[in-house]
Amino acid sequence: EPEVTQTPSHQVTQMGQEVILRCVPISNHLYFYWYRQILGQKVEFLVSFYNNEISEKSEIFDDQFSVERPDGSNFTLKIRSTKLEDSAMYFCANTPAFSGRSAYEQYFGPGTRLTVT
Amino acid sequence: GENVEQHPSTLSVQEGDSAVIKCTYSDSASNYFPWYKQELGKRPQLIIDIRSNVGEKKDQRIAVTLNKTAKHFSLHITETQPEDSAVYFCAASLGYKLSFGAGTTVTVRA
Repeated sequence: EPEVTQTPSHQVTQMGQEVILRCVPISNHLYFYWYRQILGQKVEFLVSFYNNEISEKSEIFDDQFSVERPDGSNFTLKIRSTKLEDSAMYFCANTPAFSGRSAYEQYFGPGTRLTVT
Repeated sequence: GENVEQHPSTLSVQEGDSAVIKCTYSDSASNYFPWYKQELGKRPQLIIDIRSNVGEKKDQRIAVTLNKTAKHFSLHITETQPEDSAVYFCAASLGYKLSFGAGTTVTVRA
């Protein structure tokens, strides 16, 4: 069964540095999401992406964050100038379809643990 | 926005007993309610979901119920086994994003 993959599994960076987190979605999935989970806390929605544009974003997803699908396969999350509070597990998720106001299953990748020092 | 509350935060059950986790949501327009299981250091894994036009759904030892009027939904695990030990998250969705509960750490005692 195909799965979402993410790289790297763990990223350590210094405060103020830029990081790019990568996700390879399941091939026939069209809707993409980024979530984050601070250690011991709930999973939080960051952004959704469809047809090469952002569909929805949360308050967390400020100007320091950006997403793109540069080559039609990989889906990336960029944090321009990392802060200590950006330390978290970042999950990519995909869904195969979306119809009107109905939502479909979201399948999560294994996550990237980002540590900002 | 949507706010999902989940209880209890921890649950310890004897192997073979049942476990019940309850969630409430705030936005009456939410129409999709998945449950995820997350083992330590691993990805959230979708285990069951229910849509707003259905009141109950069952898959082997797992069942989910939804009360739209009261805006709450529950996960029921019967005949618990040690491998059921994990953190369980409920979520509610309207549109593109999932709003998660805070999670329930389930421990099944052998």
